[in-house]
Amino acid sequence: AQSVTQPDIHITVSEGASLELRCNYSYGATPYLFWYVQSPGQGLQLLLKYFSGDTLVQGIKGFEAEFKRSQSSFNLRKPSVHWSDAAEYFCFQGSSNTGKLIFGQGTTLQVKP
Amino acid sequence: NAGVTQTPKFQVLKTGQSMTLQCAQDMNHNSMYWYRQDPGMGLRLIYYSASEGTTDKGEVPNGYNVSRLNKREFSLRLESAAPSQTSVYFCASSRAAKNIQYFGAGTRLSVL
Repeated sequence: AQSVTQPDIHITVSEGASLELRCNYSYGATPYLFWYVQSPGQGLQLLLKYFSGDTLVQGIKGFEAEFKRSQSSFNLRKPSVHWSDAAEYFCFQGSSNTGKLIFGQGTTLQVKP
Repeated sequence: NAGVTQTPKFQVLKTGQSMTLQCAQDMNHNSMYWYRQDPGMGLRLIYYSASEGTTDKGEVPNGYNVSRLNKREFSLRLESAAPSQTSVYFCASSRAAKNIQYFGAGTRLSVL
């Protein structure tokens, strides 16, 4: 069955440090991959997306993600984390072949001053 | 531009009561979705509507029904609420099934 795995449930980083959030997706002929962010008590906001083309995609708020088909991964990165980045992050896979839409379980990011 | 609007924002039900969660989008999107969010479970798809006039089950459809009333509106109904349906419900829409989804602010539902 298709699945999206975010191995890290909770991550704590110091402000100014670099960040990488992991996401692994299951096999899909044409995966459409997204990262969303959810601040406490809020809805979800799109950070970035990958449909095709350049495997390194840039998003809002200084985030980027790299699609690696050989590793079935779509990891989210940020070179320098800000306290306002503390939130929950979701990786999401859609597939035009199956029509199924799968979210990862989420990674909660805590930022230490 | 309001985007995706969900009503109500909060609701408390007793076991066995029924209610309908409303969702409307003003972006002329074809596809609409209902998710539930539970701690440690991420978001799980309940039902979706790829286009007006069609609905399909998602990952966790049991206990729910949906209606795609028109292109703008997609409602979620709980016929006989159970405590296991206590959750935060999100509606989303997208131009097409593979496109970016835009989310509403959520409905926090408690079933006692």
